[in-house]
Amino acid sequence: AQTVTQSQPEMSVQEAETVTLSCTYDTSENNYYLFWYKQPPSRQMILVIRQEAYKQQNATENRFSVNFQKAAKSFSLKISDSQLGDTAMYFCAFMKPAGNQFYFGTGTSLTVIP
Amino acid sequence: DVKVTQSSRYLVKRTGEKVFLECVQDMDHENMFWYRQDPGLGLRLIYFSYDVKMKEKGDIPEGYSVSREKKERFSLILESASTNQTSMYLCASSFWDRAYEQYFGPGTRLTVT
Repeated sequence: AQTVTQSQPEMSVQEAETVTLSCTYDTSENNYYLFWYKQPPSRQMILVIRQEAYKQQNATENRFSVNFQKAAKSFSLKISDSQLGDTAMYFCAFMKPAGNQFYFGTGTSLTVIP
Repeated sequence: DVKVTQSSRYLVKRTGEKVFLECVQDMDHENMFWYRQDPGLGLRLIYFSYDVKMKEKGDIPEGYSVSREKKERFSLILESASTNQTSMYLCASSFWDRAYEQYFGPGTRLTVT
């Protein structure tokens, strides 16, 4: 079974600063996808970033980047130059390539302080 | 833009009632999913469907059923609502070969009293 662990239930960061959200996972698969999803208050869940396990290069999307450590089964999200609109619940998720099912972590509630 | 809509944002029902949650997507997606979101538990898959009239159980199907009579619509049914089904319910959809690109609806917050 796949498990995804987010050990930080809540975090806060000052506007314009950098914050890192942690995620670890457990799987016996060699190839898989990892994701970070963002759920703003009362708004829809949207994909922030996706990483394919066979790619060594860490994925980046503007101010969002990941630190993917396959051997350590770690997948952290770094948000640079934090903005008020980054305030949200962030979920780390795992998926097998041939599967349909996400395995989600329990989420980290991030608050950006003005 | 992909649009996934859910019939209600907030719903209050009584214990024992039959409850229907509706989800509609407009992108001709083959896959549709129902998740339940609870604090401290994240999102858990209840059921998914990969085609009309087809369904597969997720991690927590007990107490739920689903219906997919049309490609664009996927319904979650609580046959006899119970208080432990009070939760946020999220629908999602994707193309059959791109399940890693799921688009989520806004969610329905269901309270069972």
